[in-house]
Amino acid sequence: ELKVEQNPLFLSMQEGKNYTIYCNYSTTSDRLYWYRQDPGKSLESLFVLLSNGAVKQEGRLMASLDTKARLSTLHITAAVHDLSATYFCAVGQGGFGNEKLTFGTGTRLTIIP
Amino acid sequence: GAVVSQHPSRVICKSGTSVKIECRSLDFQATTMFWYRQFPKQSLMLMATSNEGSKATYEQGVEKDKFLINHASLTLSTLTVTSAHPEDSSFYICSAYVGGEGTDTQYFGPGTRLTVL
Repeated sequence: ELKVEQNPLFLSMQEGKNYTIYCNYSTTSDRLYWYRQDPGKSLESLFVLLSNGAVKQEGRLMASLDTKARLSTLHITAAVHDLSATYFCAVGQGGFGNEKLTFGTGTRLTIIP
Repeated sequence: GAVVSQHPSRVICKSGTSVKIECRSLDFQATTMFWYRQFPKQSLMLMATSNEGSKATYEQGVEKDKFLINHASLTLSTLTVTSAHPEDSSFYICSAYVGGEGTDTQYFGPGTRLTVL
């Protein structure tokens, strides 16, 4: 059974600081996704990582994937208040047209001014 | 980008009644849609995979007779919570699958918050 764990579960950080959220998964996967969820809202897609060593960046967020270590990271650079949200990683299994997502536990990020 | 809608966004019902939630892909056809459930402050759990024109595939522990899924067209899937009870109160999110090598992804609906009194 695939298990996806994130840490930390809760993160409170000051504006301007850097931090990393970790996502570990237990079995081989095809793809790794990162999503953002604001309170009471659905998911916003941030990144999809397709292969070992993949790195993607958008603004202050950068995601990477190490399939050998079964680890993905979401790095936040010079955090701003707007980044406060819950972040989920999700592991995709199954081929094209048949992919299932298993979500991580989520990391609730609070940026303090 | 692909847009997925859900209706209603919020519903409150009495215990014992049935509630239908619609999930529509607005600008694309989706042969596969997924239904998730999210309890407060928890992660999303996949409930079932809905394929157009065929029976849904339910995840282990999800009662198929309680959570009826119909995917009658390439743009619409429905989830009916039958004989709802307070423990069914949750945030239900659907997603629609957009395929294509390298662009494979799921687009999520805005969610439906169900409260059973």
